[in-house]
Amino acid sequence: KAGVTQTPRYLIKTRGQQVTLSCSPISGHRSVSWYQQTPGQGLQFLFEYFSETQRNKGNFPGRFSGRQFSNSRSEMNVSTLELGDSALYLCASSSVAEETQYFGPGTRLLVL
Amino acid sequence: QKEVEQNSGPLSVPEGAIASLNCTYSDRGSQSFFWYRQYSGKSPELIMSIYSNGDKEDGRFTAQLNKASQYVSLLIRDSQPSDSATYLCAVNGATDKLIFGTGTRLQVFP
Repeated sequence: KAGVTQTPRYLIKTRGQQVTLSCSPISGHRSVSWYQQTPGQGLQFLFEYFSETQRNKGNFPGRFSGRQFSNSRSEMNVSTLELGDSALYLCASSSVAEETQYFGPGTRLLVL
Repeated sequence: QKEVEQNSGPLSVPEGAIASLNCTYSDRGSQSFFWYRQYSGKSPELIMSIYSNGDKEDGRFTAQLNKASQYVSLLIRDSQPSDSATYLCAVNGATDKLIFGTGTRLQVFP
């Protein structure tokens, strides 16, 4: 079974721009969660989508948004990028049967 | 107080020794506990999950959970240099969000 895939793997943007990241979950997984990882803060939960609905949300500003499509693929959008948004963005998928989350390789975003 | 706390390390152990990694959590309603390993530049990969008090063994890894004391630990027996990585403790609490600790960096030296 193919794992979680994320595109793109690397991105360089400038302040004020916006960015969209994509995540394809493991086949059959309907839950997709997004995390931001930085050296200082560790892994921080952004939001979770299940069956096209946001089921849970972390403490991030409204500039961070997401959505999920009917095929469970998910996108995350960050508008008006700030330098502090430079991070590794990870998505993870899980099935209804188990809580375990399986991570994708991540998208490394650098904001200049 | 952080929701999930881990000592950042590094924890240095010689090859063949037992590495002991600890994690405490604040939400008494937490029901699910996970240990992930993350190599530098890579994404986290699941090592163990544990849901009930006591020990759970899988190969060289043993997870221990004590809900009364609100801690979970991971023991790695016969540590190998390839075990050198950051180990992340994650807790699924009453809010049904997976909360991660900042991780403990483990170094196994030959």
